[in-house]
Order: sequence, then C-alpha cells, then structure tokens
Amino acid sequence: TQLLEQSPQFLSIQEGENLTVYCNSSSVFSSLQWYRQEPGEGPVLLVTVVTGGEVKKLKRLTFQFGDARKDSSLHITAAQPGDTGLYLCAGSMIYNQGGKLIFGQGTELSVKP
Amino acid sequence: NAGVMQNPRHLVRRRGQEARLRCSPMKGHSHVYWYRQLPEEGLKFMVYLQKENIIDESGMPKERFSAEFPKEGPSILRIQQVVRGDSAAYFCASSLQGSQGGYTFGSGTRLTVV
Repeated sequence: TQLLEQSPQFLSIQEGENLTVYCNSSSVFSSLQWYRQEPGEGPVLLVTVVTGGEVKKLKRLTFQFGDARKDSSLHITAAQPGDTGLYLCAGSMIYNQGGKLIFGQGTELSVKP
Repeated sequence: NAGVMQNPRHLVRRRGQEARLRCSPMKGHSHVYWYRQLPEEGLKFMVYLQKENIIDESGMPKERFSAEFPKEGPSILRIQQVVRGDSAAYFCASSLQGSQGGYTFGSGTRLTVV
C-alpha cells in the first residue's frame, strides 16, 4: 500500500506549457517536502511546507499544502527543458517515527523543446 | 562545504559476496538515513541512525543487512551474501534535526549483483 500517491506518474509536455503534479494521502503529515532527482544523482530538496494551506513559490514553481495536511501540489508555469526530471513528494508523519520520510513513487516529467 | 559523500558510486558483486556502502554526512549533521531505490518503486526507507545509535530500522530486511554510524568515521550499510534482488541504487541522506527541515542526499551507490 502506497501511503503517498503521486499523479500523474509520467508527463510529457512541450516547452511553455503549464503543469500540475499531485501528491495525495489519507494520512496527516507534519510536513511535506518536494524533491527533484536527475538520472544518476540523488534527490535535491526544492521546498518544505509545514502549515495547512501554505503556498510557497520558487521562481516558476508553486507548491501548496492542503488545508488538512494530507495532500500537496506542485504547479510549474511555462515549463522549460531544464525542468525535466523526476519529482518526488515526501511526508514526515504526524507522529514522527524517528525522522524518516515517506516518499511517493514520483512523477517523471519530460519537457520537449 | 562538501555535501553528503557516498562511495563507491558503482559496486559490482557476485552472488554470495559482501557489499559495504559508505556514507559521510554533511558537516554538522548528526542524523543519517539510508534509502533504497528500485526503478518505478520510489525511495524506500531502510534505517535511521545517529552517532553510535540505530534509531529506526523498521525498513531493513531482518537478515543479511546491517548498518552502523560509529563515533568516528562514515556510516556503513553492509549487505552480506548478496543476491540478485539486492541490485538497486542505495542513497544516504543526512539532516541537522530529524526530517522536518528536509534531507541532503548523496549521489548514491549503484549496486549490481551478478
């Protein structure tokens, strides 16, 4: 059973398009993080959201944490080929079991020029 | 200000051999985590350690796998008598204070069992 469900799993779009990736769960998280991973490398932290309803912007990326802290979304405006990669959401459980993060299965994004 | 250092980057072992994966956390980080990544399966938690202590090993297979983070030196993930199913990318991450502020990941060790 996947605790964090990401959708879509694969996304192929043209440069300049907008897109949204979703991360959903039936569990409540004390925080939720988004990472980006390129082939052959480890994930790199993009953002951490902590408060229900919180919205954070990172240039063309907008991250939102659901009011109930069970879900999150990542919206990319005017996607560029450099945005290509694997996007992972990860949650820290509300009853934090020693600091581990639960990861979604990832969204593979391909932006074509 | 080096990040999380993992070595080796690539490791090939024959079935039945031992694999030792090393991880040096970021300077000042005392929390170390090991994850395994298989294609289309995402990152799966294995173990969480602080210096000289295993805090949570709920993701570690009960047999053949062990981890340590000694007072001096890197954290080690040890896999004894490797099997083909152990082939995966193994990532180490470190943090300053638990998981709330996010992890810094290393570049991983790609283990291939032949």
